[in-house]
Amino acid sequence: EDKVVQSPLSLVVHEGDTVTLNCSYEVTNFRSLLWYKQEKKAPTFLFMLTSSGIEKKSGRLSSILDKKELFSILNITATQTGDSAVYLCAAGPRAGGTSYGKLTFGQGTILTVHP
Amino acid sequence: DTGVSQNPRHKITKRGQNVTFRCDPISEHNRLYWYRQTLGQGPEFLTYFQNEAQLEKSRLLSDRFSAERPKGSFSTLEIQRTEQGDSAMYLCASSLGAGRGEQYFGPGTRLTVT
Repeated sequence: EDKVVQSPLSLVVHEGDTVTLNCSYEVTNFRSLLWYKQEKKAPTFLFMLTSSGIEKKSGRLSSILDKKELFSILNITATQTGDSAVYLCAAGPRAGGTSYGKLTFGQGTILTVHP
Repeated sequence: DTGVSQNPRHKITKRGQNVTFRCDPISEHNRLYWYRQTLGQGPEFLTYFQNEAQLEKSRLLSDRFSAERPKGSFSTLEIQRTEQGDSAMYLCASSLGAGRGEQYFGPGTRLTVT
């Protein structure tokens, strides 16, 4: 059974703090690790990582994948109140296997940023 | 707006009734996915289409659930004889073909079964 586990489940910080969110996975025929941000609506895509050790960066957000240790981290620097959301990690299999691209999601990390 | 759209956005129904939801994917995307999300949990995969072919169904998808994508464009998800346990957000996502794994989600349909 494919599994994705995120930690911590919730995090409360103040504006300007830096946070690190963790995601570990066990997925058959793993291909990609995706991060999404979810505010009271559908998840919005942040990053997709397929190669180990290569950091992806977008503004104050960055993420990296370790395929040997089966985990990924999402860093947010200089947090703002607008970063308050649920951050979801998802793992996807290689196309052509028995699962054609379904994502297995973690439970999410609830991030609350106070002014 | 060229994103994924879903209708209706909210549906309240009585136990035992049938409901149908619609998803319109991003126009050039040939893959379409249905997920279900309950409070405090991440989305759970239900089923997946490539063009009009339904290629995988989760064990979560009981025989009361059926999904179609007749012309490889929009998709419908029908739930027959709804139960209170079916109350959830039903999310649709779409993606390009092989090698482009990022899935883009629609706003979801929130189903409440009373």
